Amino acid sequence: GENVEQHPSTLSVQEGDSAVIKCTYSDSASNYFPWYKQELGKGPQLIIDIRSNVGEKKDQRIAVTLNKTAKHFSLHITETQPEDSAVYFCAASMGNQFYFGTGTSLTVIP
Amino acid sequence: DTGVSQNPRHKITKRGQNVTFRCDPISEHNRLYWYRQTLGQGPEFLTYFQNEAQLEKSRLLSDRFSAERPKGSFSTLEIQRTEQGDSAMYLCASSLATGVTEAFFGQGTRLTVV
Repeated sequence: GENVEQHPSTLSVQEGDSAVIKCTYSDSASNYFPWYKQELGKGPQLIIDIRSNVGEKKDQRIAVTLNKTAKHFSLHITETQPEDSAVYFCAASMGNQFYFGTGTSLTVIP
Repeated sequence: DTGVSQNPRHKITKRGQNVTFRCDPISEHNRLYWYRQTLGQGPEFLTYFQNEAQLEKSRLLSDRFSAERPKGSFSTLEIQRTEQGDSAMYLCASSLATGVTEAFFGQGTRLTVV
């Protein structure tokens, strides 16, 4: 099956700085890569996704990049704000189920 | 409310009891997933349905776990003879079945087995 690794496990940044979270996947058949934000006691919230036919996607302060050859993808958050503090999960999918990374706890320090 | 709805939000049960959780997906979504999440980990896939058909159940954690989606709408996840190790957050997600598409999660059911 698919194996998704995520780094770092914890990340602290100053407000206004950028944050980068990286994931790798093992199965070249994976073709969809969503990112979820999870706040304490809540379910994961989809924040951005990318499909395998695209190398980069941006939505306001959030961007995701995908390198299919190297089998890695990254989440970039610019101009971080305290409300960005949460746990972020990457995932990989071949269309029938999602395999998640172990999460990155992001803390934005005001 | 057009999101995924899960009930109850919290469940405390004694070891050995049976529990059942309910998930109502987004109305036009015909694919429904169940995941388990333990503290500090990412969601772990359990099973999924396309309409009323359960297409993957080999990842259910043991034969004490079962899921149904009798009319292709809401789904239930049952755990029989609960054990302390079953304590976790149980998450439901739904998506369209056509191609590769976004999955949206509910708020989860937090199970505590005492």
